[in-house]
Amino acid sequence: SAVISQKPSRDICQRGTSLTIQCQVDSQVTMMFWYRQQPGQSLTLIATANQGSEATYESGFVIDKFPISRPNLTFSTLTVSNMSPEDSSIYLCSGYRAGKTQYFGPGTRLLVL
Amino acid sequence: EDQVTQSPEALRLQEGESSSLNCSYTVSGLRGLFWYRQDPGKGPEFLFTLYSAGEEKEKERLKATLTKKESFLHITAPKPEDSATYLCAVQAGRAGGGADGLTFGKGTHLIIQP
Repeated sequence: SAVISQKPSRDICQRGTSLTIQCQVDSQVTMMFWYRQQPGQSLTLIATANQGSEATYESGFVIDKFPISRPNLTFSTLTVSNMSPEDSSIYLCSGYRAGKTQYFGPGTRLLVL
Repeated sequence: EDQVTQSPEALRLQEGESSSLNCSYTVSGLRGLFWYRQDPGKGPEFLFTLYSAGEEKEKERLKATLTKKESFLHITAPKPEDSATYLCAVQAGRAGGGADGLTFGKGTHLIIQP
């Protein structure tokens, strides 16, 4: 199974600031995704991180708020921009390999004050 | 739009009391149905992927089954360490062999009492 790490594991931020979350996968995957898990809720897909091109966002999520990069097959970043308390959530990245499955990182717990 | 509904929302069992969790779904072109276990403060832990109706997979006390409209996660003689939230998710396929991200249900919070 793929090992996925995220940094930071948690952070407390002030409203109006931005936070960049890093995701590293230990083996080559074909696709990487970013999800959000709001308190007490299930996971919601934010976007597909595409290598070397713009991410594909789901309805309700926009690039200006959640810019994503994926410079190579095993690394991606998600930035939460101009944060408000409503952005307090767990942010998770996942890696998918065709014929295998989709594995998740441990998540980044974000609290916005 | 893909949809996943899990029931019950919460389930409390005595140790050794077998039961089943349900996941009903609608998806355009199912590529896979996934079951995950999530413990508090952690990311989802992969359990099973099912690809076609009639498929079954087992792991220790867990068995997952799939029909064209729903999946069941059967728990046989559970132990307290099986307490967790169990998440069901579907993945749609794309033309050209790619795959969408997962659409998750809200999960079943399972508590096994000793």
